[in-house]
Amino acid sequence: DIQMTQSPSSLSASVGDRVTITCRASQSIKNFLNWYQQKPGKAPQLLIYTASSLQSGVPSRFSGSGSGTDFTLTISSLQPEDFATYYCQQGYSSPLAFGGGTKVGIK
Amino acid sequence: QVQLQESGPGLVKPSETLSLTCVVSGGSMRTYYWSWIRQTPGKGLEWIGYIYYSGNTNYNPSLKSRVTISGDTSKDQFSLQVKSVTAADTAIYYCARGRTVPSLLDYWGQGILVTVSS
Repeated sequence: DIQMTQSPSSLSASVGDRVTITCRASQSIKNFLNWYQQKPGKAPQLLIYTASSLQSGVPSRFSGSGSGTDFTLTISSLQPEDFATYYCQQGYSSPLAFGGGTKVGIK
Repeated sequence: QVQLQESGPGLVKPSETLSLTCVVSGGSMRTYYWSWIRQTPGKGLEWIGYIYYSGNTNYNPSLKSRVTISGDTSKDQFSLQVKSVTAADTAIYYCARGRTVPSLLDYWGQGILVTVSS
């Protein structure tokens, strides 16, 4: 099974900051990497799919990059509504697997 | 707007069967994949399995021996059964739609907390 590792597990940032979250796969997953945002008490929401494609309705301050084993989610200018937990997920092979999450908190 | 809604008992006794249903509204089940995912503080998000609209299924090997996912496209719903539950099956259970490929989970239900306890 493919393991997904995110770093950091948590971070503190201010509104307007540029935030970068990293996700590493235990083996190559090409570009079959998705990112989700989850707010407390809510279901995860798809942000980015196939590593760099922005889901419809998601603000352009979110972007994704990477291929193979190393991927990045970037928020170019953090907004108040972006404080949440972010998960990566591989879709290259079954079983589908999620990273452990990165909680973005207020500094 | 596609919406998914989970329903079922919030409390299940150990060794019994957990049964949940997800009703899909605002869109057809055809040509999509329909997954169940669960979330716990300890293990995070865990994919349980999916059913394709045609009826094909795929399960996480870690749960495969205890899990069945079934679907009824005429009723726009699909279901999850987990047999012989233990406290480790206590989780928030989500249903979700997979667009194009099973892993592209673009719509999720709100989630339902299921507690396994006597």
